[in-house]
This record gives sequence, structure tokens and C-alpha cells, in this order.
Amino acid sequence: NAGVTQTPKFRVLKTGQSMTLLCAQDMNHEYMYWYRQDPGMGLRLIHYSVGEGTTAKGEVPDGYNVSRLKKQNFLLGLESAAPSQTSVYFCASSSGLADTGELFFGEGSRLTVL
Amino acid sequence: GQNIDQPTEMTATEGAIVQINCTYQTSGFNGLFWYQQHAGEAPTFLSYNVLDGLEEKGRFSSFLSRSKGYSYLLLKELQMKDSASYLCAVMDSNYQLIWGAGTKLIIKP
Repeated sequence: NAGVTQTPKFRVLKTGQSMTLLCAQDMNHEYMYWYRQDPGMGLRLIHYSVGEGTTAKGEVPDGYNVSRLKKQNFLLGLESAAPSQTSVYFCASSSGLADTGELFFGEGSRLTVL
Repeated sequence: GQNIDQPTEMTATEGAIVQINCTYQTSGFNGLFWYQQHAGEAPTFLSYNVLDGLEEKGRFSSFLSRSKGYSYLLLKELQMKDSASYLCAVMDSNYQLIWGAGTKLIIKP
């Protein structure tokens, strides 16, 4: 059971470089989310999607873009990485928070921007 | 503003009981969640409370008082594997999750 899979697990970037994080889920979930987790802070929502072809901004969307071309995939892009984007990124999916109340998380992607 | 407060760190002894508190101030309320996160791993779902009262699930129980904006997670018969961070999250009126910073629980033998 794969669940939610994120790639890559680790990445080091230089300031100004771009990259894409890939999230894939095999649970046929409609909802997908990208969070970042920083020491001493709660998980912060970057972008989310309520279905294929849809995206919406979360709490901290600046500097990130997303796409949901296929239901099972949710991509997070950094166009020009900044040291402030050094963080652990988690993708999550759900069938709907109001229904089951459960998010399924990927293992996380640790990004360092030098 | 919206705010979730929980203690930064707690220490307990193997075999004992520990209560982790969470207080919240949010724009509306559609449920409260507890997640467990071991170091370097993803959060995993523990419990969901939407009505006042106690929900029991094995060694773990979660309590909610909506009028007080308060919840706690109760862990009984502590085991070393319970050493982890425990995250409290509240779903607001827009069905968005607001997360606390987490409580790091250290279990000592």
C-alpha cells in the first residue's frame, strides 16, 4: 500500500534555482494539500486542491506554484528558490475533512536552499 | 486572529499517564484533530472530536469542550514508542485546518 508518495525526499538548491516536488496518491482522494513544517511552528498550508484541474491558495502561497493535471498527482513548484524556503514539505490527501476527518501524509521532502 | 496553543515539551515515565492540553481560538469550529508525529516522519491521525466529551481509542483518549475552546489528549500505560510530537489542529468555519506547533513528548524509562 503506497498511500501518499513524495519525491524527492531530500534536495539542496542554490538561491535562484527552480525545482518541482511531486506528490502521488493511490487512494482516489479528491483533496490534496501541500504544507511546510518549520521548527517551533505548526504546519502551514501552502496550496491545496479540491479536485483534478483545481488549485487554491493556502496560508503561505507566495513563491510557490502548483498544478493538479491528474487526480492522483499534485505538483509543487519553486520558481526561484530563496533561503526562507528551507523547510520540510509535506503532501497530504483526504477524501474530505468534513467526512472522515483524516489527512494522509507523505513522508516529507527536506529542502535546503543555500 | 486564529490561534492554537499547546505546551512545547512534556516529559513522562514509561507506564504512567500523561495529558497533553490544547486550547484554541478560531473563526468557527468544525472539529478538532490530534496527530502523532515521530521525529523525521509524517504525521499520522490519532483522533477527531466534533462534539463535547471523551473519545476513547485503546490507550489514547481525546476530550473536547467547545464552550471552553479546550481539548486534551490522554495517553495511558506509556510506552517508549510513544515518544513523539503530538499535533493539535482545529478545522475552522471554512473547513481549513489550523495547526498548533506541537508538543514534544519525551518518555523516560
